[in-house]
Amino acid sequence: ETGVTQTPRHLVMGMTNKKSLKCEQHLGHNAMYWYKQSAKKPLELMFVYNFKEQTENNSVPSRFSPECPNSSHLFLHLHTLQPEDSALYLCASSQEQGSYGYTFGSGTRLTVV
Amino acid sequence: DQQVKQNSPSLSVQEGRISILNCDYTNSMFDYFLWYKKYPAEGPTFLISISSIKDKNEDGRFTVFLNKSAKHLSLHIVPSQPGDSAVYFCATSYGKLTFGQGTILTVHP
Repeated sequence: ETGVTQTPRHLVMGMTNKKSLKCEQHLGHNAMYWYKQSAKKPLELMFVYNFKEQTENNSVPSRFSPECPNSSHLFLHLHTLQPEDSALYLCASSQEQGSYGYTFGSGTRLTVV
Repeated sequence: DQQVKQNSPSLSVQEGRISILNCDYTNSMFDYFLWYKKYPAEGPTFLISISSIKDKNEDGRFTVFLNKSAKHLSLHIVPSQPGDSAVYFCATSYGKLTFGQGTILTVHP
């Protein structure tokens, strides 16, 4: 498989649940990103990993916990979320942090009930 | 403090006519600008870009114009086609990509 793959495509979870979003890229990229897209708002950068090291956390609440075990995989662990966290979560990768060419996955549509 | 703004949430155009999508930015240090296109249930895909050393870049039906003094860029699509209907995001790159809110383009047959 090529490109950036995100699973699951859709997720409904209760506020007390724990779930994880997965992102996988087979492009040989070394930087990976989590973005959040809420209705009528810009794509918001959440986390950046460069060569497996977290280099940016944009004041994201601790109920979102990223994990990057290697340059090809990125996870977003979710626990005790709020309904306002419902959004489209997009993963992207690039050759390295600062490269212009981002490749995005199709996203996970998260609904918190 | 939004550094990239797309002030038109939506645009409706007739097939065959020109679509013009606009974007304003605040940071004069931004040196590279991109447009992404997003269909429902898909991630954004890269469309066209421009470096700050240029004021125009053309790729087929798509042309991006950059006015550095006004901190403004625009995307022209001509002729517009129904398949161009999507959300268009402008983005600037200065160490990381910063996106605007997006403009929903609808091209009517």
